[in-house]
Amino acid sequence: TQLLEQSPQFLSIQEGENLTVYCNSSSVFSSLQWYRQEPGEGPVLLVTVVTGGEVKKLKRLTFQFGDARKDSSLHITAAQPGDTGLYLCAPRVDSARQLTFGSGTQLTVLP
Amino acid sequence: DAEITQSPRHKITETGRQVTLACHQTWNHNNMFWYRQDLGHGLRLIHYSYGVHDTNKGEVSDGYSVSRSNTEDLPLTLESAASSQTSVYFCASSGTSGSAGTDTQYFGPGTRLTVL
Repeated sequence: TQLLEQSPQFLSIQEGENLTVYCNSSSVFSSLQWYRQEPGEGPVLLVTVVTGGEVKKLKRLTFQFGDARKDSSLHITAAQPGDTGLYLCAPRVDSARQLTFGSGTQLTVLP
Repeated sequence: DAEITQSPRHKITETGRQVTLACHQTWNHNNMFWYRQDLGHGLRLIHYSYGVHDTNKGEVSDGYSVSRSNTEDLPLTLESAASSQTSVYFCASSGTSGSAGTDTQYFGPGTRLTVL
């Protein structure tokens, strides 16, 4: 069973600040997805990264997959209250169709 | 538009009762999943199915069962509800893309189950 760690567990910041959250493991992944979950709703896919070292941008969100495909980071520039939510990483091993989710980072952006 | 729905959205039951949570998707996806979400544990996989008549156990399958008689539905049954099964339950579905391991999972809105 892979050990998957997301950090920090909780993060509360002011609007306009930058932040980075992390997803780390000792296992090598074939791909990794980031989901965001808002209160009372199911998670929604933000991005999929596949190649080691890959960087993807989604407006103010920048996602990076580690060179060794064991870790990933999510950087948000100039955070807004609408970014508030639970950010979950979900790596895949051996191209499995089922996902294993990290415990998530609960982000609160204060106006 | 295609969607995935869950019912009921909220359920209160008593210890020992059998409970069934419904999940219905109109994506025509082959893959369907059930998760539970508890504080500090994220989403944990209960059961999953890759097609009609296929079911597989996930990380926390004890006390739960599923059956897949058609493409659209994967009901989750708690045979004898226990207080430890109080949780929020999410159903998800995904298709199988050409790229290995990059399928998007689409989640339902969740069912909040309380076992007294």
